[in-house]
Amino acid sequence: SQQGEEDPQALSIQEGENATMNCSYKTSINNLQWYRQNSGRGLVHLILIRSNEREKHSGRLRVTLDTSKKSSSLLITASRAADTASYFCATALYGGATNKLIFGTGTLLAVQP
Amino acid sequence: EAEVAQSPRYKITEKSQAVAFWCDPISGHATLYWYRQILGQGPELLVQFQDESVVDDSQLPKDRFSAERLKGVDSTLKIQPAELGDSAMYLCASSTRRGGTQYFGPGTRLTVL
Repeated sequence: SQQGEEDPQALSIQEGENATMNCSYKTSINNLQWYRQNSGRGLVHLILIRSNEREKHSGRLRVTLDTSKKSSSLLITASRAADTASYFCATALYGGATNKLIFGTGTLLAVQP
Repeated sequence: EAEVAQSPRYKITEKSQAVAFWCDPISGHATLYWYRQILGQGPELLVQFQDESVVDDSQLPKDRFSAERLKGVDSTLKIQPAELGDSAMYLCASSTRRGGTQYFGPGTRLTVL
């Protein structure tokens, strides 16, 4: 079952613009992660934000987390054609027998050159 | 850079046939995961190994799916018999420990006719 829902489902922007994707989830989490998937390929880990963090940066990526609203956002600044991919959030809950990632439905980002 | 290897990359089979997928995780990674990703959705965990032991197979359809990791290194996922609804991407991932960052292989695209 999918834990997260991502919004929008698809996003098309021009090179140089910023892209924002949102993720909502249902249960308490230890951390939330964002992955990228190029067409027909495996997933690449982008960034992890812990439940006690509110914002994190990595290069052109900025992630925010609001645990009270059970939501996160991924901002990609100064987008490039190479950023074209599907982006997934994944929530992690560790403890006892429960220790796995649950992925959202994904946002398909198209960056037009 | 070390990568997760999977084979085959593509598999076409007829329903009721048996299929098998192979995964070789990054050397030294104790935790191995098999995911199924239906087109347009996020990956869903099928089974998780810690060394050679299964720690989570709650979403594995055990009447037709089986997975093993006999020596705690590479792993095989089998489907017998395959059904039309099994058409999907099967992804393998590994991490150094439970809860660690997961590194994904390129996946096996299965088409059941």
